[in-house]
Amino acid sequence: AQTVTQSQPEMSVQEAETVTLSCTYDTSESDYYLFWYKQPPSRQMILVIRQEAYKQQNATENRFSVNFQKAAKSFSLKISDSQLGDAAMYFCAYRSAEGAQKLVFGQGTRLTINP
Amino acid sequence: GAGVSQSPSNKVTEKGKDVELRCDPISGHTALYWYRQSLGQGLEFLIYFQGNSAPDKSGLPSDRFSAERTGGSVSTLTIQRTQQEDSAVYLCASSPLGGALKPQHFGDGTRLSIL
Repeated sequence: AQTVTQSQPEMSVQEAETVTLSCTYDTSESDYYLFWYKQPPSRQMILVIRQEAYKQQNATENRFSVNFQKAAKSFSLKISDSQLGDAAMYFCAYRSAEGAQKLVFGQGTRLTINP
Repeated sequence: GAGVSQSPSNKVTEKGKDVELRCDPISGHTALYWYRQSLGQGLEFLIYFQGNSAPDKSGLPSDRFSAERTGGSVSTLTIQRTQQEDSAVYLCASSPLGGALKPQHFGDGTRLSIL
């Protein structure tokens, strides 16, 4: 079974600075997808960024980018120019390319933005 | 367009009672998922529906939990004889046909509190 680990329960960053959230995963599959979701106090899970495992190029979405290291099974999220609205719980998630379509989530990292 | 709608938003009930949680997915989405998020934890997969295929029930924690999806649209998650450990936020997600790359869109969840 696949597992996802987020080793940082909490992180904080000054507004306008850059922060990196860590995520590692364990799988025996070669093809899969990785996601970062943001969960503000409203509880709704919002997709931030996604990465296909067969792509070597790291995904980027505006201020959000990932560092995908397939051999190390690492998938970190970098937030540049942090804004107050970025404060939320961030979850890393894994999804098989075939078969089970469920998302496997990490425990989450609570990100605080200091003004 | 409307997103995933869940009701009720909050539910408080006594131990031993049955509860029903409702999920109305995005129109046209063929896949529907239920997850459970206990306090301070990541999301735990419960059940997955895809079109007319048999649901993947592998995440249901006990036989007190069941779910159905009528007409390929609305889904109801039922918990019988509720226990205090069932207290959690129950999140529903839907996605269109197209495989694992298609992102799951989440509702705001139902916060269930068992007294």
